[in-house]
Amino acid sequence: NAGVTQTPKFQVLKTGQSMTLQCAQDMNHEYMSWYRQDPGMGLRLIHYSVGAGITDQGEVPNGYNVSRSTTEDFPLRLLSAAPSQTSVYFCASRRGNYGYTFGSGTRLTVV
Amino acid sequence: DQQVKQNSPSLSVQEGRISILNCDYTNSMFDYFLWYKKYPAEGPTFLISISSIKDKNEDGRFTVFLNKSAKHLSLHIVPSQPGDSAVYFCAARDAGNMLTFGGGTRLMVKP
Repeated sequence: NAGVTQTPKFQVLKTGQSMTLQCAQDMNHEYMSWYRQDPGMGLRLIHYSVGAGITDQGEVPNGYNVSRSTTEDFPLRLLSAAPSQTSVYFCASRRGNYGYTFGSGTRLTVV
Repeated sequence: DQQVKQNSPSLSVQEGRISILNCDYTNSMFDYFLWYKKYPAEGPTFLISISSIKDKNEDGRFTVFLNKSAKHLSLHIVPSQPGDSAVYFCAARDAGNMLTFGGGTRLMVKP
């Protein structure tokens, strides 16, 4: 089992550019989420999805879009990157009330 | 305002001694608490958890204590090993099964 796979691992963007961070899980988990990790701030929830076709905002959703067309995939889109979006991004999934499985992260730098 | 706080950004401990990591929360509706461990360039991995109806949970060298009246939990690692050096996040779960993370504590175990 691959678990939760995130691509790319590293990315540098210029201000105003757009990109999509990919997340895929092969565990048939209904719940998926995106977090960003910043120094001293822990992991903050950006968006989440409780199943295909259903998404909702987390704590820090501004500047990010998501969609969930399949159970397996939950991409995170940055429409116009800003330096404040420089962070490490983690995708996580879970099944029912069991614990979360995290991907290995995407380190994004916006210059 | 952060609902889950880890007031010590770092902790240094000698190998073989006890490591105590602390976490405070403000929301009395949290019903489940978890500790995650994170190595550099990897995603967080689940370590140990405790339900709000308990005050202690033990798993090998790791014990989590919960003091509901003080809204405080702690993670004890005994004996500490160099491989325990990592960033530790506490997290609290609400009724909607959403996790709120603390800012993390970097533990360094010296040989």
